[in-house]
Amino acid sequence: DQQVKQNSPSLSVQEGRISILNCDYTNSMFDYFLWYKKYPAEGPTFLISISSIKDKNEDGRFTVFLNKSAKHLSLHIVPSQPGDSAVYFCAASDGNNDMRFGAGTRLTVKP
Amino acid sequence: DAGVTQSPTHLIKTRGQQVTLRCSPISGHKSVSWYQQVLGQGPQFIFQYYEKEERGRGNFPDRFSARQFPNYSSELNVNALLLGDSALYLCASSLWYSGANVLTFGAGSRLTVL
Repeated sequence: DQQVKQNSPSLSVQEGRISILNCDYTNSMFDYFLWYKKYPAEGPTFLISISSIKDKNEDGRFTVFLNKSAKHLSLHIVPSQPGDSAVYFCAASDGNNDMRFGAGTRLTVKP
Repeated sequence: DAGVTQSPTHLIKTRGQQVTLRCSPISGHKSVSWYQQVLGQGPQFIFQYYEKEERGRGNFPDRFSARQFPNYSSELNVNALLLGDSALYLCASSLWYSGANVLTFGAGSRLTVL
């Protein structure tokens, strides 16, 4: 059961522009959402998170937006840098011990 | 300070064999989770252990088992390997086993079943 979906397998943007990665979920019990970044031959690394009581969380160039009514969240990266090129995973938790991940979006930032 | 370490990094097995994967969590982390990542998909939850007790199990067959040791390290065992078990196996550690929990992942063990 795909409770977390990332419908765009890939995204390409120009350096300095905004990158917007999207994620949809179906389980209304999810109350904590995270974004992870993964480089080849490395494990996923935590990027940013948001609680369901908020609709926005910002950390430097990274901002996550949560729209609970639409069951949708997005990650904005501004400005995008070539070093941001990686696979980005959206993840969600309902307070229990199993975190659900989307299939990932491969971001390529072109110089 | 060392992060989450996993061994081996790569291994090749044949169908029907058994495999044991090992994980050492970040110092101070008492929870260890195991995930399977098949090519083109996101990580899928297999097990979580906290203070040596199983706290959660994903939708995987009984061929998959795990345990956590007194030093909080963990092993994942897979018996009677199938071709479909070929995947990257990720271990993650965290302070807690529930709630607003950030998982810190290791680099993974890539298993190929021939």
